[in-house]
Amino acid sequence: DVKVTQSSRYLVKRTGEKVFLECVQDMDHENMFWYRQDPGLGLRLIYFSYDVKMKEKGDIPEGYSVSREKKERFSLILESASTNQTSMYLCASGREGGYTFGSGTRLTVV
Amino acid sequence: QKEVEQNSGPLSVPEGAIASLNCTYSDRGSQSFFWYRQYSGKSPELIMFIYSNGDKEDGRFTAQLNKASQYVSLLIRDSQPSDSATYLCAVNKNYGQNFVFGPGTRLSVLP
Repeated sequence: DVKVTQSSRYLVKRTGEKVFLECVQDMDHENMFWYRQDPGLGLRLIYFSYDVKMKEKGDIPEGYSVSREKKERFSLILESASTNQTSMYLCASGREGGYTFGSGTRLTVV
Repeated sequence: QKEVEQNSGPLSVPEGAIASLNCTYSDRGSQSFFWYRQYSGKSPELIMFIYSNGDKEDGRFTAQLNKASQYVSLLIRDSQPSDSATYLCAVNKNYGQNFVFGPGTRLSVLP
């Protein structure tokens, strides 16, 4: 089974902090994605990557950046956390045939 | 028009009945269609994918695709209380590997 591991299940950060969310997959997938999920808004794509050192903006990239230095690892960075970035963050990896999601990181910015 | 639309529900069906979940999409170039199930507090898990017009069956699940009508559905036969979850439709964008998710339909199967 494909495993997508997100480093933290719950995080609480202060406004203005730099936040790193880590995601690691073990199936050699080229494609990796970061989504956030909010009640009433569904899953929204923040950034995705098709290969090492490659990144593409999704639908809501503002306030976020990403890093993919190794194929298995895709990091989401909140440069200066704000309260409107309080959300569930989901990482996914996959190829044709669908994604596998990590278990999610519930981030609260206070 | 939203890219992927689903009725939010909740859709309530009695145990043993057929649950029918619907999804419409706006991008005529979409080629790949996926159904995910998400239990409360959990991450989405892939149930089925379909690429071609028609029906695709996997156990109690059947995905149906009609590209002319830009419509994809998921049928769950012999619904069980354990099927109670939110079902997300996902459609690829612009022939790519980037997917757009619908808002999800909450299904409740009543014992």
